[in-house]
Amino acid sequence: RKEVEQDPGPFNVPEGATVAFNCTYSNSASQSFFWYRQDCRKEPKLLMSVYSSGNEDGRFTAQLNRASQYISLLIRDSKLSDSATYLCVLNSGNTPLVFGKGTRLSVIA
Amino acid sequence: DVKVTQSSRYLVKRTGEKVFLECVQDMDHENMFWYRQDPGLGLRLIYFSYDVKMKEKGDIPEGYSVSREKKERFSLILESASTNQTSMYLCASSLYRLDTQYFGPGTRLTVL
Repeated sequence: RKEVEQDPGPFNVPEGATVAFNCTYSNSASQSFFWYRQDCRKEPKLLMSVYSSGNEDGRFTAQLNRASQYISLLIRDSKLSDSATYLCVLNSGNTPLVFGKGTRLSVIA
Repeated sequence: DVKVTQSSRYLVKRTGEKVFLECVQDMDHENMFWYRQDPGLGLRLIYFSYDVKMKEKGDIPEGYSVSREKKERFSLILESASTNQTSMYLCASSLYRLDTQYFGPGTRLTVL
């Protein structure tokens, strides 16, 4: 099983839709989890950290399910500007952060 | 606000040339990282450093070396560039080892 797995997409959704991405991980000892956003030909930027109890930032909600070893990102009321690639990121033991390959989202007018 | 800068946005080099990619961060971060990103392969860690004059191999160190003489600067060196090193190179830094990483804008390197 790969360390971090994401559906590459693309997810094509209309404006205003709700969309959710999952990311599964293999190392049950992983402790830190993040979602990053990467626009086309730009660097990745932190979108939000993922806390055990789940957390929300405006239209974005992140959840962690340790039992099933996945994290999720929910985007409500999608905007055109949400079009990007979303990277699942976590630590795997004591090594540097591990980045997923990303899920591409396209929000269509 | 963390700022990570990279010396060039675009670079074109010839096979066999020695290439230096510079990265500077202004937030006194201990940890710095070099990645390359290729379509379909995601971000791959080349080298990282947790302190000045310290370096550790990442997942794909072959063909690369690094230098960290000062805390704020981390250089990636391609001793003899090859066409398969054509890629986007991204530098990042973090305050703590397993903490959020902040990325520079990237250098798109083409080796002809």
